[in-house]
Amino acid sequence: GENVEQHPSTLSVQEGDSAVIKCTYSDSASNYFPWYKQELGKRPQLIIDIRSNVGEKKDQRIAVTLNKTAKHFSLHITETQPEDSAVYFCAALPDKLIFGTGTRLQVFP
Amino acid sequence: NAGVTQTPKFRILKIGQSMTLQCTQDMNHNYMYWYRQDPGMGLKLIYYSVGAGITDKGEVPNGYNVSRSTTEDFPLRLELAAPSQTSVYFCASSPRASLSTDTQYFGPGTRLTVL
Repeated sequence: GENVEQHPSTLSVQEGDSAVIKCTYSDSASNYFPWYKQELGKRPQLIIDIRSNVGEKKDQRIAVTLNKTAKHFSLHITETQPEDSAVYFCAALPDKLIFGTGTRLQVFP
Repeated sequence: NAGVTQTPKFRILKIGQSMTLQCTQDMNHNYMYWYRQDPGMGLKLIYYSVGAGITDKGEVPNGYNVSRSTTEDFPLRLELAAPSQTSVYFCASSPRASLSTDTQYFGPGTRLTVL
């Protein structure tokens, strides 16, 4: 079955710097890759997603890139702000969503 | 729209007790899911449903049961609670408009402790 690995597990950045979180997947049938943000004590919420026929997608300060050949995809957050502090989960969809183990991002003022 | 709602928010059970976690969505989504999230970990799929009357096992179904008699409701039943079931439980729903997308909307979660 599908296996999604996510790195790093924790990431600390200074406000204004960029943050990059990387995920790899194993099942070449996976064709949809969402990213969820979970603030402390809250529910996961979708922030951006990408389909396998697209290489990059941007939404304001957030972008996701996908390399199907290498089976990896990444989340890029530019100009980080303290409110970006949260746990971020990647996921891959062969037939059901398989989640990575999460990255705790801390943005220091 | 209330979206996805879950009750209760918190619960403490004794070993061997049973309970039902309730999940309701008002978005007319066909797909519904139950996940558990252990501290510092990702989301593990327990059970899912593609429509009323249809349910299937996920990664970690042992110790749980589900039913889906209506589109709106997807309760999760714990029989004979064990300390290993201490976790936060999230219900989610999705319109799953096609097989190449699955935008899931999560409920607020139920924090369960088994002592």
